[in-house]
Amino acid sequence: EDQVTQSPEALRLQEGESSSLNCSYTVSGLRGLFWYRQDPGKGPEFLFTLYSAGEEKEKERLKATLTKKESFLHITAPKPEDSATYLCAVQASGSSASKIIFGSGTRLSIRP
Amino acid sequence: NAGVTQTPKFRVLKTGQSMTLLCAQDMNHEYMYWYRQDPGMGLRLIHYSVGEGTTAKGEVPDGYNVSRLKKQNFLLGLESAAPSQTSVYFCASSYRAGVWTEAFFGQGTRLTVV
Repeated sequence: EDQVTQSPEALRLQEGESSSLNCSYTVSGLRGLFWYRQDPGKGPEFLFTLYSAGEEKEKERLKATLTKKESFLHITAPKPEDSATYLCAVQASGSSASKIIFGSGTRLSIRP
Repeated sequence: NAGVTQTPKFRVLKTGQSMTLLCAQDMNHEYMYWYRQDPGMGLRLIHYSVGEGTTAKGEVPDGYNVSRLKKQNFLLGLESAAPSQTSVYFCASSYRAGVWTEAFFGQGTRLTVV
């Protein structure tokens, strides 16, 4: 069964304290893995798409990496404004556009 | 450029009542989706549409109906609301066929069924 698991559920960091969020997945062939950011009371906002193992994408203090079984979202020297829930989603090979499986997210809190 | 707009933003329904949630996008996207988000369960797909006049069932379609009479609008209907439908509902749209990328989400509708 296709599955996406994110860990930890919640993470509290001090401003400037770097860390990583994990997204492990089990799908029958990966077509794409997506990272989204969601602020309280708002819809998810697209961050990255990764397509193959070894691929990396960067945006400001965020860097997403992909292996054959998991993806990491590395946060370097985070600021309070990076506080949000980060969602991971995958699409399996051969599936339709509808077959996107979301993880339950990691709530990240950055203390000043 | 408004992106994806959902109305209403909040609603309280009594069990058995009906309502329609409206999603409008101004990006000329072909694909539109309705998701529900519940604590600890992530986003789950209810119904989706790959173009005007077409709809299809997602992961959790029971108790919901949809229509896409115009390309820019996607309506989600609850014919007889149940407490289990208390959730936050998100609409999304995307322009890429085949690979689902850079989908744009609305702000959400928080629905409570009492």
